[in-house]
Amino acid sequence: EVQLKESGPGLVQPSQTLSLTCTVSGFSLTDYSVHWVRQPPGKGLEWMGVMWSGGSTAYNSALKSRLSISRDTSKSQVFLKMNSLQTEDTAIYYCTREYIPTDYFDYWGQGVMVTVSS
Amino acid sequence: DTVLTQSPALAVSPGERVSISCRASEGVNSYMHWYQQKPGQQPKLLIYKASNLASGVPARFSGSGSGTDFTLTIDPVEADDTATYFCQQSWNDPRTFGGGTKLELK
Repeated sequence: EVQLKESGPGLVQPSQTLSLTCTVSGFSLTDYSVHWVRQPPGKGLEWMGVMWSGGSTAYNSALKSRLSISRDTSKSQVFLKMNSLQTEDTAIYYCTREYIPTDYFDYWGQGVMVTVSS
Repeated sequence: DTVLTQSPALAVSPGERVSISCRASEGVNSYMHWYQQKPGQQPKLLIYKASNLASGVPARFSGSGSGTDFTLTIDPVEADDTATYFCQQSWNDPRTFGGGTKLELK
């Protein structure tokens, strides 16, 4: 069964760094890409970035200077790190698998709520 | 980036037919996908590649379009369809989402 699960702190102070982990099961990170998507409260979905199956990454240009995505294939984990957090980064953060070759998001994690506040 | 434009909200009565539109700022071929999101839940895939019904999705849902104009149709609408619907394109990088259409039942 395919599953993705996000984990990380629920509260981050302004200007600090957010670290999230997406732990996957039921598939290999070397076969599928995993994307990060976030959703501020009451708002729409924002694509953040991707860890491609081959190990390269791509980022939303608006976040690129603050965002880093990496992985540990042996642990089936994808990591998101974003620095210089501000209140507008308060959101639910999702990881999602992209199905090849039609490139839609077929499985999503439950999401983790991150609040940026002092 | 490819901007996807959706109407913000629609209200329909159960049993009616509703069409939700998504317009892309540039062509996306047929690589437009639709998701349903209910409050407190993650998005759920409904339609992939413009017109293909995802597994387990009722046949009341259908999709159409290509290029820049796409439509998600629900016929007939049921009470359980109250949700926000997002379109998403994967033809152009980066991936982008529409702002979402909130469907309310009268």
